[in-house]
Amino acid sequence: GDSVTQMEGPVTLSEEAFLTINCTYTATGYPSLFWYVQYPGEGLQLLLKATKADDKGSNKGFEATYRKETTSFHLEKGSVQVSDSAVYFCALSSGNTGKLIFGQGTTLQVKP
Amino acid sequence: KAGVTQTPRYLIKTRGQQVTLSCSPISGHRSVSWYQQTPGQGLQFLFEYFSETQRNKGNFPGRFSGRQFSNSRSEMNVSTLELGDSALYLCASSSMWTGTYNEQFFGPGTRLTVL
Repeated sequence: GDSVTQMEGPVTLSEEAFLTINCTYTATGYPSLFWYVQYPGEGLQLLLKATKADDKGSNKGFEATYRKETTSFHLEKGSVQVSDSAVYFCALSSGNTGKLIFGQGTTLQVKP
Repeated sequence: KAGVTQTPRYLIKTRGQQVTLSCSPISGHRSVSWYQQTPGQGLQFLFEYFSETQRNKGNFPGRFSGRQFSNSRSEMNVSTLELGDSALYLCASSSMWTGTYNEQFFGPGTRLTVL
């Protein structure tokens, strides 16, 4: 079945460092891909999305490119801030099912 | 526009009891999905409702059920609670008119603790 694999965390970075969180997927068909972020004690917030191959999603300095050839959707940010500390989830949806399949989440801690 | 709201935010129950959680989607959204989040299993899909009909169901026992009302508000029910049902239950809504059907917007969740 469909699945999403994220790099293990936690990831600890200093402020202004470059961030990459790896995400790969397995899916039949042509899924839509998402990154969600979860701050402590809160629900999930959609960070960015891409619906077809080579699409680049971007928001708040974060970017991810839908790579069909490598089945990947890696999250990047050029300069992280302390306020970016959170748990990041990669997810896919396949077909109009109303179902998201999530990776296990990657905790990011940014130190001043 | 108001976001997805979930009530209650926190709940403590004992084993064997039942519980009902409520979710109000974003105005105009007709699809509501429910997820269970635990440290061990991560985020798992429970079910999705659209126009009062369950369209999809995850791999959970029959103790987990749900429904959707004509105003798109949804409830989920867990009967005969077990310790392992302790989790954050998240509700998400989506609209068919955003161009990306599965762009889901999440509520803050209900934290259920089973003692």
